[in-house]
Amino acid sequence: DQQVKQNSPSLSVQEGRISILNCDYTNSMFDYFLWYKKYPAEGPTFLISISSIKDKNEDGRFTVFLNKSAKHLSLHIVPSQPGDSAVYFCAASAMNRDDKIIFGKGTRLHILP
Amino acid sequence: DTAVSQTPKYLVTQMGNDKSIKCEQNLGHDTMYWYKQDSKKFLKIMFSYNNKELIINETVPNRFSPKSPDKAHLNLHINSLELGDSAVYFCASGQDRGFGEQYFGPGTRLTVT
Repeated sequence: DQQVKQNSPSLSVQEGRISILNCDYTNSMFDYFLWYKKYPAEGPTFLISISSIKDKNEDGRFTVFLNKSAKHLSLHIVPSQPGDSAVYFCAASAMNRDDKIIFGKGTRLHILP
Repeated sequence: DTAVSQTPKYLVTQMGNDKSIKCEQNLGHDTMYWYKQDSKKFLKIMFSYNNKELIINETVPNRFSPKSPDKAHLNLHINSLELGDSAVYFCASGQDRGFGEQYFGPGTRLTVT
C-alpha cells in the first residue's frame, strides 16, 4: 500500500535543461511534503518542502509545485547541473496528526553532459 | 563535526547473531528515527524517539530493539539476525515531531549471511 508514489524509476536530462520529477500521493490527510536528494553511500539530504497551504515553493534552482486536487507534486530543477545526478525521494506527512514521514521509492536522475 | 553519525558503516554477520548499530546526533534535535531501506529501495520508518520516549514503533519484529540513553543517541539492537534483515539502516534526527525536515546519517549496510 504505497501512499507516496514515484512512478518513474529513472530520468535522464541534458545538462542545462529542466528536470521535472513527479510524485503522487493517495492519503488526503497529508499536508506537508518534502523532497530529499540522495547520493550513493550517503544518507538522504533535505532539499525543499511545501505545506498544503501553498501551491509553489522556490529555492534557487529548485521549485516544488503542489496540486492538491490531483494529489500530485513535482520538483523542477532548472538549469540541471551534473551534481544534480542523484536519487530523489518524495515524502509526505500529516502535520500534527501523525509522527512520521512516508517516503516514495525514489527517482534516479541522470544529468547528461 | 558530522551532524548525524552512525557506526559501523558496514556490518557483515551470520544468521543468528546479535548486533548493534549506534547513532549520535549533535544538532540538539529532540526526535530521532531509525529507517530501513530494503532491496526494493523503499525507505520505511521503524522507530522514533522524542526526548528518549518511544513515539513510533512500526510493525517491526521484536528482535529489533531501540535504545535511547539520551536525546542525542539512538541505538538499534538486533537479536537473532535473519537473512531478511539485510538492508541499509539509516538513523535520522529532526526538531519537529514527524513532519519536518530530518537529517540523515550515512547509513549502515547490514549483510546477513
